[in-house]
Amino acid sequence: GAVVSQHPSWVICKSGTSVKIECRSLDFQATTMFWYRQFPKQSLMLMATSNEGSKATYEQGVEKDKFLINHASLTLSTLTVTSAHPEDSSFYICSARDVASYNSPLHFGNGTRLTVT
Amino acid sequence: AQRVTQPEKLLSVFKGAPVELKCNYSYSGSPELFWYVQYSRQRLQLLLRHISRESIKGFTADLNKGETSFHLKKPFAQEEDSAMYYCAPSDKIIFGKGTRLHILP
Repeated sequence: GAVVSQHPSWVICKSGTSVKIECRSLDFQATTMFWYRQFPKQSLMLMATSNEGSKATYEQGVEKDKFLINHASLTLSTLTVTSAHPEDSSFYICSARDVASYNSPLHFGNGTRLTVT
Repeated sequence: AQRVTQPEKLLSVFKGAPVELKCNYSYSGSPELFWYVQYSRQRLQLLLRHISRESIKGFTADLNKGETSFHLKKPFAQEEDSAMYYCAPSDKIIFGKGTRLHILP
């Protein structure tokens, strides 16, 4: 089945540094990938839609300069949390849909737990 | 507006009892709907989709156009069913609040 690989699974960084999270579709192509943030015991909050070869679309209230998204190929999207602060600590999840399959479901990465100290 | 609603935030059911997680939609026509599940410390994953009309882990969900519902059902709850469940349409990638299913021993 379709698999989405997200790396790293967890990361600890100091305030002011930047962290890059990768999201890869392993056996399918995805022109669009999605980045979510999840707080404990809450639902996923969509942050942005990553579009291959073009600019990402950010949801209202999400700072595009803080959360840089790059979708350089049909199988890879990256989210960079720039100048991280403790309030950016959270669980970040990516998902993707197989472009070759009509109305296909979303496939999710395992998530990345970011802790900013 | 076209949307999907899960009215219950938390559902507690005794082990062995029937389970029904409610999902109502307000789409016109026949939407493509999915149920996703997130077990503790695991990734969110597809549980089932209505178009396949299959039973996964004992769960079934039928699209009821008359009631505009896509409720998730299982006749006998098991402890390992405890998880977060999300009902979502194929054309939306924004998730609702979901329903937390808690199976009581």
